[in-house]
This record gives sequence, C-alpha cells and structure tokens, in this order.
Amino acid sequence: AQTVTQSQPEMSVQEAETVTLSCTYDTSESDYYLFWYKQPPSRQMILVIRQEAYKQQNATENRFSVNFQKAAKSFSLKISDSQLGDAAMYFCAIEGGYGGSQGNLIFGKGTKLSVKP
Amino acid sequence: SQTIHQWPATLVQPVGSPLSLECTVEGTSNPNLYWYRQAAGRGLQLLFYSVGIGQISSEVPQNLSASRPQDRQFILSSKKLLLSDSGFYLCAWTVRERTDGYTFGSGTRLTVV
Repeated sequence: AQTVTQSQPEMSVQEAETVTLSCTYDTSESDYYLFWYKQPPSRQMILVIRQEAYKQQNATENRFSVNFQKAAKSFSLKISDSQLGDAAMYFCAIEGGYGGSQGNLIFGKGTKLSVKP
Repeated sequence: SQTIHQWPATLVQPVGSPLSLECTVEGTSNPNLYWYRQAAGRGLQLLFYSVGIGQISSEVPQNLSASRPQDRQFILSSKKLLLSDSGFYLCAWTVRERTDGYTFGSGTRLTVV
C-alpha cells in the first residue's frame, strides 16, 4: 500500500522569500505519479505541480519546483519569491498505480503555509 | 475545455435524513471519477471510485454509497445520515491515460446536525 508523509504540519515564510515543503512516500510501484496540491481557504483543490517517477528531471512550474529523490522516496516542493496568495494548505499525493486501486490518489495530511507580509 | 460541477456547495441535514450529492463532468468522455471526504484539518480520504457506468468500487466501509448512472455523472448517497458523515466532500476526475493529473470540483460542505 502507498503512504505519504508530510512531517511539517505548519510552515511560515516571509513574502518574497523561498520556502521548501517536505514530503516522503512509500510505494512498491515502479511507475507512479507524484503531485502537489494547494487548498486555499475556499477549499478548492488546485494542482500545483506533478512529477512522473520515470523522469529524472525535476518538474518546474513558474515559481514552483520540486526536488524529486526517487531512491530516497522524497518529493519536496520549493516555492520561490513567495506571495501572499501562496498561503494555503499544501498536500502531497501519490497515484496508486494501475493495481487494485485504479490510479487513486493517496494524500498526505498536509502542511499549512502562512506568508508574512 | 473540461469542467467539473459539484453541488450543492453547502448542506445542513438532520441525523437520519437521506443524502444525495451530484457531480458532473463536461468536455471529456469515459473519465475515472472519484469521491473524497476531508474531515476538518485533515487530508483527503478516498471513498469511492468509478472507471465506467455502473462500476463502483468502495475504499472505506461506511454509511455511504455511490452510483454512476451516466458516463459523466457521479452521485454520492446515504439513506440515513450519521453525525460522523459531516465533512467536506470532493468529487474528482481524471482521464485514463493519467497525463493531466486530477481535477477536483469545488466541494460540498456537509453538516449533519
């Protein structure tokens, strides 16, 4: 079974600074996808970035980038030039693969990010 | 473009009353559909998923059920709500090729009183 661990319940960053959110996971799959989702106070789940496990190159989306360490099963999210609108809950997730759960997303418990002006 | 609609946005229901939450997807065919629940201050728990019309798989034994009467319609139901059914319910879809990630609806906040 897949598991996702986010060890930082809360994080804080100064506006314009950089912050890194940690995520570790466990899976027996060789082909899987990893995601970071943002959930602002509106509670809409918004896809921030995704990483395909077979790709060694770290994914980037504008100010968001990941540090994907497959051997260590680590998938951290770096937010550069933090903005007030980045304040939200951030969830790390792994897709369950094509095994018994048909590609279901398994989520971590989330990290609450605060951005200080 | 693909969109997902989920309603109602909020719902307050008494214990023992029935429940029906609806989710529809536009702009795609034959999607995988999911129902998740998020308790206050916690992550998302997968409740049901469906890979086709009439095909429902349950991840967690509970007081809820799901149905998929049409390709792009996914319904979450209960015959008698419990207090523990309160939470934030999210519908999501993805294409089978898993190329674009998962898209979530705007969610339904259910309070059972």
